[in-house]
Amino acid sequence: GAGVSQSPSNKVTEKGKDVELRCDPISGHTALYWYRQRLGQGLEFLIYFQGNSAPDKSGLPSDRFSAERTGESVSTLTIQRTQQEDSAVYLCASSPDRGVYEQYFGPGTRLTVT
Amino acid sequence: AQSVTQLDSHVSVSEGTPVLLRCNYSSSYSPSLFWYVQHPNKGLQLLLKYTSAATLVKGINGFEAEFKKSETSFHLTKPSAHMSDAAEYFCVVTHFGNEKLTFGTGTRLTIIP
Repeated sequence: GAGVSQSPSNKVTEKGKDVELRCDPISGHTALYWYRQRLGQGLEFLIYFQGNSAPDKSGLPSDRFSAERTGESVSTLTIQRTQQEDSAVYLCASSPDRGVYEQYFGPGTRLTVT
Repeated sequence: AQSVTQLDSHVSVSEGTPVLLRCNYSSSYSPSLFWYVQHPNKGLQLLLKYTSAATLVKGINGFEAEFKKSETSFHLTKPSAHMSDAAEYFCVVTHFGNEKLTFGTGTRLTIIP
């Protein structure tokens, strides 16, 4: 079956603009995660959705970052008033359930803020 | 609290020789540990995971890792490197009930022909 997909694959934007990144998880996966990967670094957790529960937003770096998820399907990560330090690869992952299950990662969106 | 330290940012080995990628972890709970691999321009792929069963874990592509509680280590090994193993490898820690994975900074593996 289809894996996790993300769009766009690359996004170049000017400082101060808003951007929206999209993630389509694997069908039937109730858990969805967003991570940020800066050049040469590991992944930083941003936000976690599980079913209809309130999302865990504890990793969002500032109030310019927000994310939504419709039920158990598509999620969007929005960054308002982008800054150069937002340049990174944004990765989405989904998992069959909460707990210690394998997370299936999408290919990521490379965001460059000029 | 949990953290993971990958002791080498870059490892180079010759094709056909053994691979050792080192990882030490810290966790306030019984840890669950993973190794993920990231090939250039590809998504992250799970190599193997430890979740309190057998301490020697076998993964895909001939990789294995051993959980050593006394040393707080979870090193990744492979007996014979292949050119296709060239990639970035991430050691990851979490624990049951914690949905947040904590990633190490990665080890770039280069295979010398």
